[in-house]
Amino acid sequence: GQNIDQPTEMTATEGAIVQINCTYQTSGFNGLFWYQQHAGEAPTFLSYNVLDGLEEKGRFSSFLSRSKGYSYLLLKELQMKDSASYLCAVMDSNYQLIWGAGTKLIIKP
Amino acid sequence: DGGITQSPKYLFRKEGQNVTLSCEQNLNHDAMYWYRQDPGQGLRLIYYSQIVNDFQKGDIAEGYSVSREKKESFPLTVTSAQKNPTAFYLCASSESEYQPQHFGDGTRLSIL
Repeated sequence: GQNIDQPTEMTATEGAIVQINCTYQTSGFNGLFWYQQHAGEAPTFLSYNVLDGLEEKGRFSSFLSRSKGYSYLLLKELQMKDSASYLCAVMDSNYQLIWGAGTKLIIKP
Repeated sequence: DGGITQSPKYLFRKEGQNVTLSCEQNLNHDAMYWYRQDPGQGLRLIYYSQIVNDFQKGDIAEGYSVSREKKESFPLTVTSAQKNPTAFYLCASSESEYQPQHFGDGTRLSIL
């Protein structure tokens, strides 16, 4: 079967750095997406990786290793507004998105 | 402003009743999707459409129906055959099936 694993919840301190991991087993691979979702709101697109390596976009970076079936989202200089759920999704061989359950990130002052 | 509009934000259904959730986009996107989100689970695909007048079942289509008569609109009907409809429903669109999906604000459906 297809499976996306991410930690259920993480806690970090304002101003610090946090890494959210995602491992996947899917039927084929056509890219990995990270989304941010504040409680009760729509997911918003953060990043897309299809080749191995690191993609940096401001305070957020995303890394992919296709051979390991592994990605992480790195958030630097954490702000209170970064408190949200972070969703990992993999596009399979049929171009369908397979979603992880999300990681709830709690930022403490 | 371009975007995806879902309505209503909250919806209540009585037993045996069909309800329709609206999704409209003005992004000129070809592809549209309906997902269901339940606590502790990843988003699950109900239906998707890549072009007007065509749509395909996702992983959990039973008890749901859709139409795609216009490019901008992709309404979802939750029928009485869906025995556990309480959930947060999200509509999304993308330029094509290969592009990132963009989401509406969602409709929260509850049973009376």
